[in-house]
Amino acid sequence: GQNIDQPTEMTATEGAIVQINCTYQTSGFNGLFWYQQHAGEAPTFLSYNVLDGLEEKGRFSSFLSRSKGYSYLLLKELQMKDSASYLCAVDTGGYNKLIFGAGTRLAVHP
Amino acid sequence: EAGVVQSPRYKIIEKKQPVAFWCNPISGHNTLYWYRQNLGQGPELLIRYENEEAVDDSQLPKDRFSAERLKGVDSTLKIQPAELGDSAVYLCASSLRQGNTEAFFGQGTRLTVV
Repeated sequence: GQNIDQPTEMTATEGAIVQINCTYQTSGFNGLFWYQQHAGEAPTFLSYNVLDGLEEKGRFSSFLSRSKGYSYLLLKELQMKDSASYLCAVDTGGYNKLIFGAGTRLAVHP
Repeated sequence: EAGVVQSPRYKIIEKKQPVAFWCNPISGHNTLYWYRQNLGQGPELLIRYENEEAVDDSQLPKDRFSAERLKGVDSTLKIQPAELGDSAVYLCASSLRQGNTEAFFGQGTRLTVV
C-alpha cells in the first residue's frame, strides 16, 4: 500500500525555525512535493525534490533522502502568515499518481 | 493570468439529490485532477485526465460519481445520488503535463449533504 506520514500539529514562535518531517512508503517514486494550505483555501506549491539533497528557496528549504523514504520542509524566520497546513505529496508514477499525506497544521505565535 | 476556476464555491443539498461541480483549468494545461478533501486530511485523488482521456480513475466511486472533460478543457464532476458521507471539499487542479510539474489548485467547492 501507499503510506505518507507527517506530524499532525506543530507550534513555533515568530522569528524561529521549524522543521516539518515526512516519511513515505510508496510503490513508486517520481518526486516529492510540499504544498502550503491556509484554512479554507487551495493548496499552493512550495517545493519539489526528486534527487537527494537540499533545495533552498528563500525562507523555505526542502530536503530529500530517497534511501530513507524521508523528507523535511524547513521554514526559517517564521512569520505569523506561515500559520497553515503543510502537505507532503509523493508522485508515485503509477495509477494513483500523486498521493498526499494528511498534512501538518503549523501554528506560529508571537 | 487566471488560475484554476471552480464553481460553485459552496453547495448544500439534501441526501439522494444530484450535484455537479465545474472546473476551468489554466489555459494550456493538459492534465486535470479532481481531488476530494475531508476536514483535517490531505486531498485524495478521484480522477486524472490527460486532455480528454481519463487515465486514473481507480478511486472514483463509479456507482454514483461521474466526470467528463469534453474537448479536453473544462471538466464537470457529478454525484448522483449524494450521500451524507460525500460532504467534503472537492478540489480541481491542473498542470502542464504529468510528472515533475507542480499542480495548481482551484479554490474548491465545499459540499454539505444534509
